[in-house]
Amino acid sequence: SAVISQKPSRDICQRGTSLTIQCQVDSQVTMMFWYRQQPGQSLTLIATANQGSEATYESGFVIDKFPISRPNLTFSTLTVSNMSPEDSSIYLCSAEGGQGLYNEQFFGPGTRLTVL
Amino acid sequence: GQNIDQPTEMTATEGAIVQINCTYQTSGFNGLFWYQQHAGEAPTFLSYNVLDGLEEKGRFSSFLSRSKGYSYLLLKELQMKDSASYLCAALLGQNFVFGPGTRLSVLP
Repeated sequence: SAVISQKPSRDICQRGTSLTIQCQVDSQVTMMFWYRQQPGQSLTLIATANQGSEATYESGFVIDKFPISRPNLTFSTLTVSNMSPEDSSIYLCSAEGGQGLYNEQFFGPGTRLTVL
Repeated sequence: GQNIDQPTEMTATEGAIVQINCTYQTSGFNGLFWYQQHAGEAPTFLSYNVLDGLEEKGRFSSFLSRSKGYSYLLLKELQMKDSASYLCAALLGQNFVFGPGTRLSVLP
């Protein structure tokens, strides 16, 4: 299994500013993912981040709003740009297990973002 | 779209058995996952099914019928700590799609 950490764990930000969330995995993984989860709701995939290529965004999410970096096989960042109160959510990073068993995903603890 | 459906909420009594159902679109199906998520915490992996049948793991079992696009998670001997959201997720092609989640409340 993979152990994933995220920073910051929570933040309160002003409208119009940007926040970069960091995700660190304790082992090399090919595929990393960024999700958003509104309170009491399920996970919505924002994008898939593969090392060495541009991130692949899901419908409704664009690179200008959510730029992603994937500089190596253990690290990724998600930036929430020009924030508005509608961006208040929990942002979760995950990585595919990569051990050839189930391709299950392991999740970080999440970043709770509040935009005022 | 890629629809995955689960009941929104369920309630059961400590010591009982509960079955949480999940239906999914079958196009491009590559596997079905169940995750548990306690409030304020990250989801944790419970089970994986890719072939028809029942996979048992302790108090938790997961069933899959590929032809029907149907799965269920069975929880036996319920404990208070089992109160959580249970997320069904289907691997459709290379896309990991989560269902809305079922919030389970275990009552004493």
